[in-house]
Amino acid sequence: DTGVSQDPRHKITKRGQNVTFRCDPISEHNRLYWYRQTLGQGPEFLTYFQNEAQLEKSRLLSDRFSAERPKGSFSTLEIQRTEQGDSAMYLCASTPGGYGEQFFGPGTRLTVL
Amino acid sequence: LAKTTQPISMDSYEGQEVNITCSHNNIATNDYITWYQQFPSQGPRFIIQGYKTKVTNEVASLFIPADRKSSTLSLPRVSLSDTAVYYCLVPGGATNKLIFGTGTLLAVQP
Repeated sequence: DTGVSQDPRHKITKRGQNVTFRCDPISEHNRLYWYRQTLGQGPEFLTYFQNEAQLEKSRLLSDRFSAERPKGSFSTLEIQRTEQGDSAMYLCASTPGGYGEQFFGPGTRLTVL
Repeated sequence: LAKTTQPISMDSYEGQEVNITCSHNNIATNDYITWYQQFPSQGPRFIIQGYKTKVTNEVASLFIPADRKSSTLSLPRVSLSDTAVYYCLVPGGATNKLIFGTGTLLAVQP
């Protein structure tokens, strides 16, 4: 399968713990996006990378959130000191560039107890 | 970025054609109109994208009038497996990020 992959698929954690999610985009896709989706809502944009450069961050991305894409390939999203309001599906998408289709991964579902 | 408005939900029966209309009054000259489909607990999946007039692929057609202030996604002969949320989007800006609304929940009944 050469699609976008995300790991883990599910994560349950206690409030105050740190969590890290990984996204492996489609090979050679230089654009990578992170979105967050809560129940009954559409996905919300969090941040965008072009190669290894993080070029845009949403105001939703508080200082507890950090994302990296160190070598322009996979990306990680870390949430520090998790809160119950962080419970959501975290989606990653990649695209080769331009205005074409974004390919989404299956998401990581985070539950903060 | 252009704001889109679409119905919250629609009902249909198997075998019928379904048309979902989206309005995007402040679409810019260079903007494309894009539709995604999402099943529960899955990431959204691209359906179709167009700029003007009509675009057709193996799963859907997209109709865009001359003023481009609205668009209609047409799903021919829907089946139960087409039950999903459908999002109308106008990606834009330098990053081409997607701004999702709540979408249209299409429920197909037997």
